[in-house]
Formats: sequence, structure tokens, C-alpha cells
Amino acid sequence: SYVLTQPPSVSVAPGKTATITCGADNIEHERVHWYQQKPGQAPQLVLYNESDRPSGVPERFSGSNSGHTATLTISRVEAGDEADYYCQLWDRGSDHRVFGGGTKLTVL
Amino acid sequence: QVQLVGSGGGMVQPGKSLRLSCAAPRVAVRDYGLSWVRQAPGKGLEWVTSISSGGAERSYAASVKGRFTISRDNTRNTLYLQMNSLRVEDTGLYFCAICVRDREDASLDYWGPGILVSVSS
Repeated sequence: SYVLTQPPSVSVAPGKTATITCGADNIEHERVHWYQQKPGQAPQLVLYNESDRPSGVPERFSGSNSGHTATLTISRVEAGDEADYYCQLWDRGSDHRVFGGGTKLTVL
Repeated sequence: QVQLVGSGGGMVQPGKSLRLSCAAPRVAVRDYGLSWVRQAPGKGLEWVTSISSGGAERSYAASVKGRFTISRDNTRNTLYLQMNSLRVEDTGLYFCAICVRDREDASLDYWGPGILVSVSS
């Protein structure tokens, strides 16, 4: 079964680019989704199927998936992007949805 | 805007039961998959269970299988989670979520605000 590995924390200055990774063997074969969770709030979908953005999510949010790593990229980071970010996929072997451990994005 | 309204949380002793509900007052959920995801205090997200649009397909995390039961009433636009034999480690916020594409590998598109469950002696 999948274990999704995310860095616990990422820090970036405003206006720069943040990169958050989600690692697992052969993850490139799976549909990976990304969620943003701000303190005290429910998670919110920011990318689905690696790189598709739901309505209302800025174009600054983009994604990719290759080899053993899926990546969420946030360009021109703003203070409002500070949050926890989780990757997620469906593990067909166990018939379970699986979340990564989450990455806390800090905007310096 | 898809709104989900949760209820049924509270504080219970280990071994007791709770039933959570999640209603969608402004959207017909009959065509959507539904899920529960939980979050222990200060921890990450943990998928708990999912149910298909028609209710025939259900899956559970190993940590709750045999104790929790997911169900839905499409006429009431409501999702349920019956939680039996509760343990201290079941404590946390429980989120309901809608999967618009109703596939196991699809994203969880809309989330409820979270229902607090506290299991303690």
C-alpha cells in the first residue's frame, strides 16, 4: 500500500516560488490531488488529477507528477498562501484513499 | 456554493457510540460519492470511509473497520457515520466531503466544517 511522504515544512519569501513534494513509488501512475488547510478551517481542494485547478483557485497553483514524486508549485507566493498542504491519492491495492502527512508552508 | 452542515458530535466515554450526520441543504447529492475524513488534534488528515452514489460500494480504513458504518439517505441529502465501540484514539474533527466524480480515485471536492468528537473516560 502507498505511503505518501511530504516534507514537514517549507518556507518561502513573498513573491517567490514554493515547491511541495509528495513521494511514493510509482506515484506517476496515480491521480494525485492536493488540499490546502488553513488554521481552524476545513481542507479545500486546490489541485485535482495532478494539475487541474477547481474554479476559483489561482493560476499560481500548478502541479506535476513524474516518477516517484508529485509536486505542488505555488508561484508568486502571498501571505494568504500560508497553510498546511496535503497530497492524496487512491490506493487501488487496498481500496483506500491515502493522505500524505502534510506540509506546513510558512511565508517569511 | 456547495454547503455541508454537520451534526452529532460530542464527548463520550470509551466503548460508547455516536452517530454523525452531514446534510447538504442546497444540493442534491444522489449522484456524488461521499466520504468521511478525520483529523486528530494537531495531526494530519486521515481518510475514514467512503460510499458510492448509490450506496452499494463502501470502503473503510483498517482503523475503523468493523466499528464504524457509513450510510446515506439521498432523499434527505444526508450522509451518516455510525461510530460504535469508540476509542480514545478516535478523538478528533470529522469532516464530511463530496466527491463530484464518484470514482474511488477522484478528488474530495467540497468539505464540511468539521464535527468534533471527543472520546475520554
